[in-house]
Amino acid sequence: KAGVTQTPRYLIKTRGQQVTLSCSPISGHRSVSWYQQTPGQGLQFLFEYFSETQRNKGNFPGRFSGRQFSNSRSEMNVSTLELGDSALYLCASSRTGQGIEKLFFGSGTQLSVL
Amino acid sequence: GQQLNQSPQSMFIQEGEDVSMNCTSSSIFNTWLWYKQDPGEGPVLLIALYKAGELTSNGRLTAQFGTTRKDSFLNISASIPSDVGIYFCAGQHTGTASKLTFGTGTRLQVML
Repeated sequence: KAGVTQTPRYLIKTRGQQVTLSCSPISGHRSVSWYQQTPGQGLQFLFEYFSETQRNKGNFPGRFSGRQFSNSRSEMNVSTLELGDSALYLCASSRTGQGIEKLFFGSGTQLSVL
Repeated sequence: GQQLNQSPQSMFIQEGEDVSMNCTSSSIFNTWLWYKQDPGEGPVLLIALYKAGELTSNGRLTAQFGTTRKDSFLNISASIPSDVGIYFCAGQHTGTASKLTFGTGTRLQVML
C-alpha cells in the first residue's frame, strides 16, 4: 500500500511569487491535513480537508489556502510568498480525521523563498 | 502556535545505552503519540497511547501516558545507530484527530 505522496520534494521561489504543493493520501484515506515545520516554530497545523471541504484551520494568514479533490488528493497554495514561509510543508492523511485515528505523514516539500 | 515542552532538547549517548525523554503540556490530551523524524523526511509514527496510565511497547521502545493526561514519556532501550533522529511527542483531542499539537522535539545522536 503506497504511503502519502507529496510533490515536488523541493521548491525554490522568490518573494512575492505564489506556490502550489500537492499531496496524494493513502488509498482509502479521506482526510488530508497540512503542517508547516520550521526550526523556530516547529510543527504547526495549517488546515484539514475532508470530503472536499475545509474542516479545521490553524492560525495562519489567508495567504495560505488549500483544496481537496473528489479523489481526496489535496493541494496547498501560498500566495505572495515571504521569506518566513521557507519551511518543510508536510501532508498527513487518515481515514476520517476524527476519533482517535493515527495520522500518516508524507516526506514533505521543502520550500525555500529567496 | 502552541508547542508541547519536550526534554531533553538533545542528547548524545553511547550505543547500547538506554534513553529517556519526556513531554509536558499545560492542557489535557485524550491521546499521546510519539513520532520519529529523519532528516528531510516526514515524521513516522512509533507509538500511540489512548488511556491515562497506559504503558505501551513497540520493540525496544516503551511509552507511557501520564496519569495527569498532561504528560508522556518515551524510553528507548539498548540504543543502536539507526535510532539517530528527532523524536516528537504529539497530543491529540478526540474528534479532531487531524489537528495534532507537537512537542519541540528531542534530537538523539548515538556515539559508536
